[in-house]
Parts: sequence; C-alpha cells; structure tokens
Amino acid sequence: SQQGEEDPQALSIQEGENATMNCSYKTSINNLQWYRQNSGRGLVHLILIRSNEREKHSGRLRVTLDTSKKSSSLLITASRAADTASYFCATPPRGAGGTSYGKLTFGQGTILTVHP
Amino acid sequence: DTGVSQDPRHKITKRGQNVTFRCDPISEHNRLYWYRQTLGQGPEFLTYFQNEAQLEKSRLLSDRFSAERPKGSFSTLEIQRTEQGDSAMYLCASSLDPGTRSSPLHFGNGTRLTVT
Repeated sequence: SQQGEEDPQALSIQEGENATMNCSYKTSINNLQWYRQNSGRGLVHLILIRSNEREKHSGRLRVTLDTSKKSSSLLITASRAADTASYFCATPPRGAGGTSYGKLTFGQGTILTVHP
Repeated sequence: DTGVSQDPRHKITKRGQNVTFRCDPISEHNRLYWYRQTLGQGPEFLTYFQNEAQLEKSRLLSDRFSAERPKGSFSTLEIQRTEQGDSAMYLCASSLDPGTRSSPLHFGNGTRLTVT
C-alpha cells in the first residue's frame, strides 16, 4: 500500500514559475525523502528531511514538513524545462532502525511538466 | 560510469518463460535493493541485501521470484513462469550501510519487462 499520496497528480507550468507539490502520509515517520524520475529512467534522490526538521533547502528546492498534519511539500523555484519529471515522496518504516532505512514506501508521484 | 547499472534495459518474453535481470551496484555500497514499478505508480519494495545476506522480502515477492547476491557485489533477480501481471519496470538501488541514519538510495535505470 502507498504510504504517501502526492497532490496534484499532474502539474503543468511555464518556465520561470514556481512548482509546489504536496505529499501526505499516514503513519509517523523518521524522515521523508523526495525523489525525481525522468521518463524511462531510475529515480534520483533530491532531499531528505528528518522528523525533527520543519524546513530544508537545497539549491532551488525547498521542502517543508508538518508532522502534525502528516504532510510535506516540495517547492521548486524558477522552474526550468529540465525539471520536467515525476516527483515522489518516500518514507522508511518508523522505528525499524538502520536495517530497514532503505525499505522505502513511495507515493504515486506528481508529474511535472515545465513548458519552455 | 560509477552509478548503478542494470541489464538488460528491456526484456520482452512470452508468458511462462523464465527471465533473469542483473544489477551492479555502486562498488562501495553494501546495501542493494530491488523495487518494482508499474505504470503510473511509485516503486514498490521487493527485497534487499546487506552484503550477500538477503535480509527482507516483501509479500509481493511470490515464490516465482528469487533474488541472489552471491558475493556481495552484483545481484540477480529471476522470475520463473512469468505472467502478464509481472510486466513492470524492475529497479535496483544501492546505498551505504545507513547505521542509525538514512542513506539515500542510488537507483539504476531499471529493466522494463513486458510479458506477452
């Protein structure tokens, strides 16, 4: 079953605009990760935010985490055509310790299209 | 290229045939994971290895599926008596031993299996 649910399922914007994607999850978490997947390719890790963090930045990416609402958002600022991809949130099982940190549960993803 | 390598990229097979996929992880990574991704969905965890030991298997991994990592380096995933429902992208990922902290997954570009 999917732990995270992304919203919207698809997002279409113009180059230069900001893109915001949301992820909701069901159970408590140790951390939440965001991955990008270009069409027909593997996933690329973007950013990890821990449960005791509220906001994290990496370049044009900004991730927030609200554990009280069990939700996270990914903001891509000044989007580029190369940002066109699917974006997934993912969480490891809580309380499993280091042994299961790679056993991620992914959401269904948001398909982002950035028009030049 | 020092990333995760998967072979073949595409495999078309007839129902009932056996198929085997190979994954070569990043050389210093001792964790190796297999995920399956169907169209429009996020990846689903199948199994993972710590060195040569298979530590966990998902209930998705029926008895027709077997994975090995004989020398703690490359891994193979075999599907016996393939069914049309096995059609999916099979993704391999590797990571360092996370210990008490999450270590991001590095994914290969996957093997797309089509069962006719």
